[in-house]
Amino acid sequence: EVQLVESGGGLVQPGGSLTLSCAASGITLLNYDMHWVRQATGKGLEWVSAIGTAGDTYYPGSVKGRFTIYRENAKNSLYLQMNSLRAGDTAVYYCARGLRDSGGYHYQAFDMWGQGTMVTVSS
Amino acid sequence: DIQLTQSPSFLSASVGDRVTITCRASQGISSYLAWYQQKPGKAPKLLIFAPSTLQSGVPSRFSGSGSGTEFTLTISSLQPEDFATYYCQQLNSYPLTFGGGTEVEIK
Repeated sequence: EVQLVESGGGLVQPGGSLTLSCAASGITLLNYDMHWVRQATGKGLEWVSAIGTAGDTYYPGSVKGRFTIYRENAKNSLYLQMNSLRAGDTAVYYCARGLRDSGGYHYQAFDMWGQGTMVTVSS
Repeated sequence: DIQLTQSPSFLSASVGDRVTITCRASQGISSYLAWYQQKPGKAPKLLIFAPSTLQSGVPSRFSGSGSGTEFTLTISSLQPEDFATYYCQQLNSYPLTFGGGTEVEIK
């Protein structure tokens, strides 16, 4: 079955760290741009990070310098290391695959999503 | 950063209605826009991208149009399974951004 499965969420104190994992099956992650997207309860979607097929990484200002996205190709897994966590980082975190069309063009849209993992930052 | 403004934020409609949702970008993004559908407790689902290409498996009652700064998502005949929240997203440049969402409710 083709799927993405996130894990690693939980309760963490402000200022703490957490690493999320996204295990892929049925697809080879290194062939796609991969992303993390989060959603606070009752709120909209927020893009959190991206890693390209060449290993280039991108972040919005809200997490830059605190979050690191990386891939472990041998495990076909994606990770998000989160440091200096704040209450505002509380959300469901989704890993998502970047769209690649039949011609191999990469769009920065998300055509496959995991089920999400909840991160709660609270004392 | 490119801001996306969706309107309306809430829409009440009946089965069979034609529904249009608008997404306006704070600067030109060519055709680099996508639309998603999200149901409660579920991950979003890609419907349309760039800005009128229907994702595989998405019913043809969904359509997208626009370019530059103004885009629309149209559902030609609303079905019971279409009641959900819809988001636009710009693919033009990093940081990628989403609109605030449009909740479509049953009238």
